[in-house]
Amino acid sequence: GENVEQHPSTLSVQEGDSAVIKCTYSDSASNYFPWYKQELGKRPQLIIDIRSNVGEKKDQRIAVTLNKTAKHFSLHITETQPEDSAVYFCAASQGGGNYGGSQGNLIFGKGTKLSVKP
Amino acid sequence: GAGVSQSPSNKVTEKGKDVELRCDPISGHTALYWYRQSLGQGLEFLIYFQGNSAPDKSGLPSDRFSAERTGGSVSTLTIQRTQQEDSAVYLCASSLAQMGPKFFGPGTRLTVL
Repeated sequence: GENVEQHPSTLSVQEGDSAVIKCTYSDSASNYFPWYKQELGKRPQLIIDIRSNVGEKKDQRIAVTLNKTAKHFSLHITETQPEDSAVYFCAASQGGGNYGGSQGNLIFGKGTKLSVKP
Repeated sequence: GAGVSQSPSNKVTEKGKDVELRCDPISGHTALYWYRQSLGQGLEFLIYFQGNSAPDKSGLPSDRFSAERTGGSVSTLTIQRTQQEDSAVYLCASSLAQMGPKFFGPGTRLTVL
C-alpha cells in the first residue's frame, strides 16, 4: 500500500521568511496530493491540493510542486506570518477509475509542526 | 452550507465499555472516511465508504472496531470493549466524489479510563 514520508517534523522560521515542507510517496498510482493545516485543537483544513497532471500550483503565499518521476511533492509558504504556525500534513491518494477498495483513500504523512517567530 | 458534523464532541468511558461515534457528512457527499489521531500524532486511516461499494476496512486496528453507513449518509463507528490505547480523537471526513477534496469534521475526543 501507499506510504507517505514527511520532513521535517518540526520547522522554525522567522516571520517573513519562507518555509518548505517535503513529502515522498511510494505508490506510483497515486495521483492526488492535498495539504492540510491543523491548528491546535482544531480539525485539519485543506489549504491546497495538486493532481498528477500538473507540476505546480499556487494560491497567494502558498504553492505546491510535484515531481512524479521522483515521487515527491513539496509545500512552499512565502512571507510567513505568525498565523501560519500550525501542524501541516501532506497526503496522497489514488482517485480515478475504479471505485471501492483503497482508491480514493488518503494516506497522510506524520506532520510538520511549523513555528513562525515574530 | 453545513459542514461535516460529529457527535459527541467528547466521550469519556471506562475500559471494557462499548462506544458509538457518529458522523454526519456534508449533504450529497458520496465518500466518507474515518481517521484516528492520537495526541501529537498524524492521521491514521481506519475505514472508507464510497457510494454503494463495499467499504475499505483495511485500516481497522482490530475486530473490536466496526463501522456502518446507513442510507449512504450518516455513519457510526463502534468500538467494542474499549481499551486505554483507543484513546484518541476520531475524525470523520467526506468528499463529493472519490477524487474530490476531503473535508473534516471537528472530531470526537475519546478518553478511555
